[in-house]
Amino acid sequence: GEDVEQSLFLSVREGDSSVINCTYTDSSSTYLYWYKQEPGAGLQLLTYIFSNMDMKQDQRLTVLLNKKDKHLSLRIADTQTGDSAIYFCAEEGNNNDMRFGAGTRLTVKP
Amino acid sequence: DTEVTQTPKHLVMGMTNKKSLKCEQHMGHRAMYWYKQKAKKPPELMFVYSYEKLSINESVPSRFSPECPNSSLLNLHLHALQPEDSALYLCASSQVKGVGGYTFGSGTRLTVV
Repeated sequence: GEDVEQSLFLSVREGDSSVINCTYTDSSSTYLYWYKQEPGAGLQLLTYIFSNMDMKQDQRLTVLLNKKDKHLSLRIADTQTGDSAIYFCAEEGNNNDMRFGAGTRLTVKP
Repeated sequence: DTEVTQTPKHLVMGMTNKKSLKCEQHMGHRAMYWYKQKAKKPPELMFVYSYEKLSINESVPSRFSPECPNSSLLNLHLHALQPEDSALYLCASSQVKGVGGYTFGSGTRLTVV
């Protein structure tokens, strides 16, 4: 099973904020990542955060990192229907291997 | 060029066939990866190449054979596959160390009949 844990589903209304949560295991990970996957496509790197940061903001995306609790979250402001996708949290291991959570399926309702 | 290109996009093969999946990048990345993704599951790591050398093989059956002919190309040779090998096969590349994460291709959807 995955060492990185995420809730599987999230449904929001268009214009609301979405918050996707993740718990990771490897406290030595230097970077933590969020990827987006739309149906039938590969994974798109959305954003990442350096492990000595608490927060990173990039336009509508805000990443929060609680290193003590090994908790990572992704907030999407003003969620749009085009944001509907699967969002994967990931941590990078020592051997360049990226470990993914199970993915959270975000559904945005009009 | 900031893309990873995978060909073919779709592939249907019989269990006795031999086929190859191809992956190409021109970003100067020296680490390349093969992942397998089943429906509604996260990608599972198969192989990692670092500086054109195989550095990780995640106990993948020998019917999958990776090859890295040069720093821009990564192949996955397929032989005697089983129907349960049907999946989306994703290639990715990255810098060997440091920031940037992976750049993924759009994948090859493989169906074994």
